Amino acid sequence: AQSVSQHNHHVILSEAASLELGCNYSYGGTVNLFWYVQYPGQHLQLLLKYFSGDPLVKGIKGFEAEFIKSKFSFNLRKPSVQWSDTAEYFCAVNPVTGANNLFFGTGTRLTVIP
Amino acid sequence: DAGVTQSPTHLIKTRGQQVTLRCSPISGHKSVSWYQQVLGQGPQFIFQYYEKEERGRGNFPDRFSARQFPNYSSELNVNALLLGDSALYLCASSLADRLNSPLHFGNGTRLTVT
Repeated sequence: AQSVSQHNHHVILSEAASLELGCNYSYGGTVNLFWYVQYPGQHLQLLLKYFSGDPLVKGIKGFEAEFIKSKFSFNLRKPSVQWSDTAEYFCAVNPVTGANNLFFGTGTRLTVIP
Repeated sequence: DAGVTQSPTHLIKTRGQQVTLRCSPISGHKSVSWYQQVLGQGPQFIFQYYEKEERGRGNFPDRFSARQFPNYSSELNVNALLLGDSALYLCASSLADRLNSPLHFGNGTRLTVT
């Protein structure tokens, strides 16, 4: 069965620190990859997505993610976090099999200290 | 522009009862998906509907059912509720049935089964 692993459950950073959140998936075929963010009290929002092409994708608010096919990974990065980045971050995978469902990781809670 | 709206926002039911959750997609969106998010976990796919037809079903028992109406709104029904059904139920809409059409999530319905 497909699974998505986010190994960091809670990350605490000071403002201006660099961020990298890990995401690994278990599926051998072609996948579409996503990062969603949920700010406190708000709904899930799409941060960025990868379908094909350049494995380094850029999203909103200065976030980027790199797809490394050989490692089954899609790590999220930001060079300098802000207090407003405090949120829960979810990695999600869609195996390209015709079905249209997302498999989500368990999420990483990011706390940025001013 | 109204986002995805879900009702009710909170609900308390007892074991064995039945519940109906409602979702109104963003205007113009024809696809609606339902996800269950148990505390501490990522969302888990339940159903996807597009143009009133079921396009995908996750690994949930037959107690879970859904439908989509001509105005593209949707209902999720859960029969014979169990304690383990307590969760946040998320609805997401998109323009098309493919995932290159971004999902827009609602705030969810918090279901508590006692």
